[in-house]
Amino acid sequence: QQQVKQSPQSLIVQKGGIPIINCAYENTAFDYFPWYQQFPGKGPALLIAIRPDVSEKKEGRFTISFNKSAKQFSLHIMDSQPGDSATYFCAASWDTGRRALTFGSGTRLQVQP
Amino acid sequence: GAVVSQHPSWVICKSGTSVKIECRSLDFQATTMFWYRQFPKQSLMLMATSNEGSKATYEQGVEKDKFLINHASLTLSTLTVTSAHPEDSSFYICSAQSPGNEQYFGPGTRLTVT
Repeated sequence: QQQVKQSPQSLIVQKGGIPIINCAYENTAFDYFPWYQQFPGKGPALLIAIRPDVSEKKEGRFTISFNKSAKQFSLHIMDSQPGDSATYFCAASWDTGRRALTFGSGTRLQVQP
Repeated sequence: GAVVSQHPSWVICKSGTSVKIECRSLDFQATTMFWYRQFPKQSLMLMATSNEGSKATYEQGVEKDKFLINHASLTLSTLTVTSAHPEDSSFYICSAQSPGNEQYFGPGTRLTVT
């Protein structure tokens, strides 16, 4: 019930394309859904996050779509660039007195020039 | 933006020795920090939650006597890998929870045990 399932495992798009990464969860107590970007040998960087009271959030070229009834959320990257090539992780947390993140398995994105 | 630092960024040690990794939140106070472990091409695995002024909470399967955590101040948590063995070689990453409940990650520490 604590799992967050992420797909696809890897993704290749052309520059300017819109890669979409999907995540699904089971635990309805989750109330915070962040996305992280990680480059090789570096720590994850917080990209964007959403709470279940909204269905979409946009920050720059990154958009989260959230479907509470389906227990799914996704990341869209508009006008993708080669510099966006990285591994993306979705995550979820809920307030148990601490907010430990449950991570998805990650998606390796490659944006070709 | 929120900045979390880790030191060292990489360390090589001999089997049987201990290694200490520091995690600092540079521009906010963090009552809660987390320690993760990441194997190549895999996701992050939560090891423990570090709470300022109290004992750490370890995840199931993580040896608390092997991975000692101390959260001595609102900006510093340390992870000590005791009696390290080659199987402890990994990428260790900390995160700090901001007052707004976001988690910001450090750059990670690459540990190699020979």
